[in-house]
Amino acid sequence: SQTIHQWPATLVQPVGSPLSLECTVEGTSNPNLYWYRQAAGRGLQLLFYSVGIGQISSEVPQNLSASRPQDRQFILSSKKLLLSDSGFYLCAWGRTSYNEQFFGPGTRLTVL
Amino acid sequence: DAKTTQPPSMDCAEGRAANLPCNHSTISGNEYVYWYRQIHSQGPQYIIHGLKNNETNEMASLIITEDRKSSTLILPHATLRDTAVYYCIVRSHNQGGKLIFGQGTELSVKP
Repeated sequence: SQTIHQWPATLVQPVGSPLSLECTVEGTSNPNLYWYRQAAGRGLQLLFYSVGIGQISSEVPQNLSASRPQDRQFILSSKKLLLSDSGFYLCAWGRTSYNEQFFGPGTRLTVL
Repeated sequence: DAKTTQPPSMDCAEGRAANLPCNHSTISGNEYVYWYRQIHSQGPQYIIHGLKNNETNEMASLIITEDRKSSTLILPHATLRDTAVYYCIVRSHNQGGKLIFGQGTELSVKP
């Protein structure tokens, strides 16, 4: 069976510090991978998606970036965090663009 | 922007059927209707999806109107653990198959 991992589960970072969130998927190969963010009391917003190694599509302009160094690894980064980057970050995978997406447990980021 | 409209909240008695409506009047012919739910502080959970025909699985049933402009998610025997925010999503399988979430319906199942 397939599983998706995210870490850390929670993170408190000062404004201006760097960020690295990691997501890994087990039990499948060449999945589509997605990063979503959920601000407090709001719906999820797609940030990035990737259909293959090194292929990243960005959905919204921001100070975040994503990378996919390995087939089942998806990383969300920032060089300098802003207060507005606080939120619940969720990674998801799908077999293809035609299949349902499965979400990880999420990382709750607080920027102070 | 989300292409769906849902009531912000609903209540349901435990053991009764929960019927969650969704309007998607601008849906295109190649777009699917997906339903997810999110229990507080967890990642969203896939429930069901469909294109034209009604669908049923172990979690729920999805009823799509003939003109495809609206749909209803049915939880046949709601339990307290079904309390969650339910998202109806119109999804194209282009552009990586991305999901565009709206505000969803907050379902409260009460004893």
